[in-house]
Amino acid sequence: GAGVSQSPSNKVTEKGKDVELRCDPISGHTALYWYRQSLGQGLEFLIYFQGNSAPDKSGLPSDRFSAERTGGSVSTLTIQRTQQEDSAVYLCASSLGQGTEKLFFGSGTQLSVL
Amino acid sequence: SQQGEEDPQALSIQEGENATMNCSYKTSINNLQWYRQNSGRGLVHLILIRSNEREKHSGRLRVTLDTSKKSSSLLITASRAADTASYFCATDTGRRALTFGSGTRLQVQP
Repeated sequence: GAGVSQSPSNKVTEKGKDVELRCDPISGHTALYWYRQSLGQGLEFLIYFQGNSAPDKSGLPSDRFSAERTGGSVSTLTIQRTQQEDSAVYLCASSLGQGTEKLFFGSGTQLSVL
Repeated sequence: SQQGEEDPQALSIQEGENATMNCSYKTSINNLQWYRQNSGRGLVHLILIRSNEREKHSGRLRVTLDTSKKSSSLLITASRAADTASYFCATDTGRRALTFGSGTRLQVQP
């Protein structure tokens, strides 16, 4: 595919369950970002991967959140013991290089925690 | 708090009118970008302006940057119903990922 792919597009889960969100960036893009957007709000930075460097995890809201990027490509964002306040759209983006010029976004995963 | 703050939060205009959105930020930047979001899902990059540039054009879009006032504006000329969306400014401070503002919701009435 030509764009950033995220799955699932929608996820409904019960409070306390773990969820995994997947992001498949554009081929050749070395930088990958996760953002979170609550209803009607701006984007909240979560985590940033650049090549083989250690990821910038400074935006993760709690230790229930973690992310990995395997082989410099696909990334998985994991939320353990989900809470209702975790409900949001989780957006993944990728870019060509080390700079933050022109991010390409996926369509997001709408997470609903009941 | 957000690095970028858009103003107004919401804007409603008639087709054919111009729409102006403003963005203010707090710290020095390498560049400022504007993105568009339809229906609360993926964002699409519109235009990037570097800190040493003052104005940039792309089709019906005009972006200005005033680094002394730490502000930017996005002008959409001759708006169309299809321009209805949320518009976000994002700042690159060189430290980490882009920091996004809270957005302006634009409604263009046909």
